[in-house]
Amino acid sequence: DIVVTQSPLSLSVIPGEPASISCRSSQSLLHGTGNYYLDWYLQKPGQSPQLLIYRGFNRASGVPDRFSGSGSGTDFTLKISRVEADDVGVYYCMQTLQGRTFGQGTKVEI
Amino acid sequence: QVLLQESGPGLVTPSETLSLTCAVSGGSINNYYWSWIRKPPGRGLEWIGYIYYSGNTKYSPSLKSRVTMSVDTSKNQVSLNLDSVTAADTAVYYCARLGSVDNYYFYIDVWGRGTTVAVSS
Repeated sequence: DIVVTQSPLSLSVIPGEPASISCRSSQSLLHGTGNYYLDWYLQKPGQSPQLLIYRGFNRASGVPDRFSGSGSGTDFTLKISRVEADDVGVYYCMQTLQGRTFGQGTKVEI
Repeated sequence: QVLLQESGPGLVTPSETLSLTCAVSGGSINNYYWSWIRKPPGRGLEWIGYIYYSGNTKYSPSLKSRVTMSVDTSKNQVSLNLDSVTAADTAVYYCARLGSVDNYYFYIDVWGRGTTVAVSS
C-alpha cells in the first residue's frame, strides 16, 4: 500500500504572502505514461472537498492560477503564490497510482 | 449540473451493516466511476473505494473485507454497504464522481454534500 505523508499539518499564513505544502509518498508516483499520479484537494470549512490540481500539476477548471502543483518521484508540493482569505481550509494530497490514498491533511488558517 | 445526494440511517448499531445510497441527478450514471470517501471526526479523508457503472470495483485494502458497492442504472444510483461496523466507522460519508479530460486519468470532480453516520448502541 502506498502511504502519503503531508507536512506541515498546520500552517498559519499571511494574506498576500506565498505558502507551500509538501506531500511525500512511500513509493514513486510516476506512471508508465510519464505522468505523476497525484491530486490536490481543498476542503473549505463547512463544504465538501474540491479539486485543485490533478495528475501532478494540472489545474482544475476554475482554479485560480495562484495555485500550482510541482514535484517528481515521491516528493510533491502545492504552492499558493499569494494567499487570500478564501484559501483557508484543509488541503489534501491523494495518490492515484494504486487505488487511492489521502494524506493526513494540512489545515491552513490566516 | 450533476448533483449527488447521499442518504441512509444516521445511526447504526455496532456489528450491524451500514447501508448508504447516492442518488445522481442532472446526469447519467453511465460511463463513469463512482467513489465513496469518508471523514471520521477529527481526522482526515479516507478513500473507501470506487465502482464503474458496469459493476467493476476497487476497494481500499484496509476495508476490502467489509465493503460492497453496487450500482443501479435504472434508478441512477450507487450504493455502499459496510459490514460489521464499530465506533471507528463513525464518519461523514461522501459520494463522489470520477471525471476525466482524456478518459485515461480519473480525478474526483463532483462531490456530494455528505451524510453523517454514527455507530453506537
